Amino acid sequence: KQEVTQIPAALSVPEGENLVLNCSFTDSAIYNLQWFRQDPGKGLTSLLLIQSSQREQTSGRLNASLDKSSGRSTLYIAASQPGDSATYLCAVPLNSGYALNFGKGTSLLVTP
Amino acid sequence: GAVVSQHPSWVICKSGTSVKIECRSLDFQATTMFWYRQFPKQSLMLMATSNEGSKATYEQGVEKDKFLINHASLTLSTLTVTSAHPEDSSFYICSARKTGPNYGYTFGSGTRLTVV
Repeated sequence: KQEVTQIPAALSVPEGENLVLNCSFTDSAIYNLQWFRQDPGKGLTSLLLIQSSQREQTSGRLNASLDKSSGRSTLYIAASQPGDSATYLCAVPLNSGYALNFGKGTSLLVTP
Repeated sequence: GAVVSQHPSWVICKSGTSVKIECRSLDFQATTMFWYRQFPKQSLMLMATSNEGSKATYEQGVEKDKFLINHASLTLSTLTVTSAHPEDSSFYICSARKTGPNYGYTFGSGTRLTVV
């Protein structure tokens, strides 16, 4: 069974800092990996999708990397802002069309 | 794009009544949709996989008679919580994926169910 782990569980940083969120998974035979953001009481917003053949994806201040062989992905947030405060979730399906396995998330607080 | 709409966003019902939650793919067809449940400060737990035109596949420990899933069209799946009890109070969220290598999973906005 695919297990997804996210470290740290919570993170508090002052505005402007660069930060790294970590995600690890036990089964390297993944189809892709997706990072989401969830605001309190809201649904999930997709941030980045990395295919299994890719090493990284970038969107604005966000950069996600993928190392399948070691079962790891990182989400890098540059120049953090208070509006980045949310829970960040990493998820993988085992194959196309399969449901996502989620980590427990990293709760991020960026203070002004 | 790939947009998933979920309705209602919140509902309060009395214990013993049933509640239906709708999940629609607005701009694509979805032969498969997924239903998740999320408890406070916890991650999403898969409840069931909804398959258009056939029976849903439920995860271990999820009561299929309590959580009825219907996927009658390629754009609509419904989750009905039957004979709801306070312990069914939770955040329910659906998901679907548009076919194609560049599309990830899209989630609805979720439904907050409170059973009183």
